[in-house]
Amino acid sequence: QAVVTQEPSLTVSPGGTVTLTCGSSTGPVTSSHYPYWFQQKPGQAPRTLIFDTDNKHSWTPARFSGSLLGGKAALTLSGAQPEDEAEYYCLLSYSDARVVFGGGTKLTVL
Amino acid sequence: QVQLQESGPGLVEPSETLSLICTVSGGSISRYYWNWIRQPPGKGLEWIGYIYYSGITNYNPSLKSRVTISVDTSKNQFSLKMTSVTAADTAVYFCARHPFDLWGRGTLVAVSS
Repeated sequence: QAVVTQEPSLTVSPGGTVTLTCGSSTGPVTSSHYPYWFQQKPGQAPRTLIFDTDNKHSWTPARFSGSLLGGKAALTLSGAQPEDEAEYYCLLSYSDARVVFGGGTKLTVL
Repeated sequence: QVQLQESGPGLVEPSETLSLICTVSGGSISRYYWNWIRQPPGKGLEWIGYIYYSGITNYNPSLKSRVTISVDTSKNQFSLKMTSVTAADTAVYFCARHPFDLWGRGTLVAVSS
């Protein structure tokens, strides 16, 4: 089974910029993996921020953006706010219909 | 607006079958894929599987031998059954509409005697 890897933890200063990445044990992540990014706060269900690499939902703050970077999916937060402190998960879909979550990145805004 | 609500027993005994239902309200279950996801306490998310309203299913290979997802379009519900549960199956179970734009609040299921 494919393993999807994320940074366990990252810290960003208020107003700063940070990039979270999502890699695959099977090789480079491409748009064909339809990368998703989710934000989860304690006691809440996850909510989708980015789907299909770089598409936003109506509720996704403009400061979040998705991309492919160096063979990985990436979530960039530009202008971090205190309310962005949360756990972030990526999800990749594989050609054999497997769907795999990454282990999550705990983002601290400090 | 469309809402999802998980329901089912909060406690299941080891070796028994876990059964959960996700009720879709405010909209139709038709023409969408519907997912089950779980999250053990303090750990990450794990995709369990999905079902299309027509009944087509796809499961996580690591759980496939123990999991069945079914749909009842007349009740606007889909369900999860997981057999031979152990303490490792203790988790918050979420249902979600594909493309993961809509989630239930989740329900905690503990496996314990």
